[in-house]
Amino acid sequence: DIQLTQSPSTLSASVGDRVTITCRASQYISTWLAWYQQKPGKAPKLLIYDASTLQSGVPSRFSGSASGTEFTLTISSLQPDDFATYSCQQYTSYTWTFGQGTKVEVK
Amino acid sequence: QITLKESGPTLVKPTQTLTLTCAFSGFSLTTPAVGVAWIRQPPGKALECLALIYWNDDKRYSPSLKSRLTITKDISKNQVVLTMTNMDPVDTATYYCAHRRVDSGDAYNSFDYWGQGTLVTVSS
Repeated sequence: DIQLTQSPSTLSASVGDRVTITCRASQYISTWLAWYQQKPGKAPKLLIYDASTLQSGVPSRFSGSASGTEFTLTISSLQPDDFATYSCQQYTSYTWTFGQGTKVEVK
Repeated sequence: QITLKESGPTLVKPTQTLTLTCAFSGFSLTTPAVGVAWIRQPPGKALECLALIYWNDDKRYSPSLKSRLTITKDISKNQVVLTMTNMDPVDTATYYCAHRRVDSGDAYNSFDYWGQGTLVTVSS
């Protein structure tokens, strides 16, 4: 099974901050990785797929990158609506795994 | 406009079988590349993909839960049904259905539209 490890588990930040979340895969997954945002009591929302492609309608302050088995979600300038939990998901050949999530909270 | 909505019991007893229905609109499960998945999330824990059914009736299951799961589709009703046997308290979770992104190969599945989820509690 491919495991995904996100860091940090919790991140305290202020509006306007640049925020970076990391997701590390236990083996090579090419760029088959997505990022989701989830707010309490709500379904996840797809932000980025194929490691760096922005889903339609998602603000451009969100970006994704990949280097080997390490993937990064960056929020260039944190906005009030961005306080949420972010999860990565790998989707190699007919397998799917989610990371444990990173909560972005108010500092 | 794509929408999905889950329905089913909110409380099941241990050993019972859970049946959940996903009613969708805005797409057809007869269209090539379309697929619908069931994904769950125990309280405070990570998301877990359970099963996915494709337009051509190909079905894929989580290896760890495969023996307990069955996913089917009803084209005429625009519904996808998940059954999970031998329910246990550890299966307490919010269960979501989700639409797979269609602009990638069938083997590569991320999810662009989600239902609101339904909380299922397993308790005697």
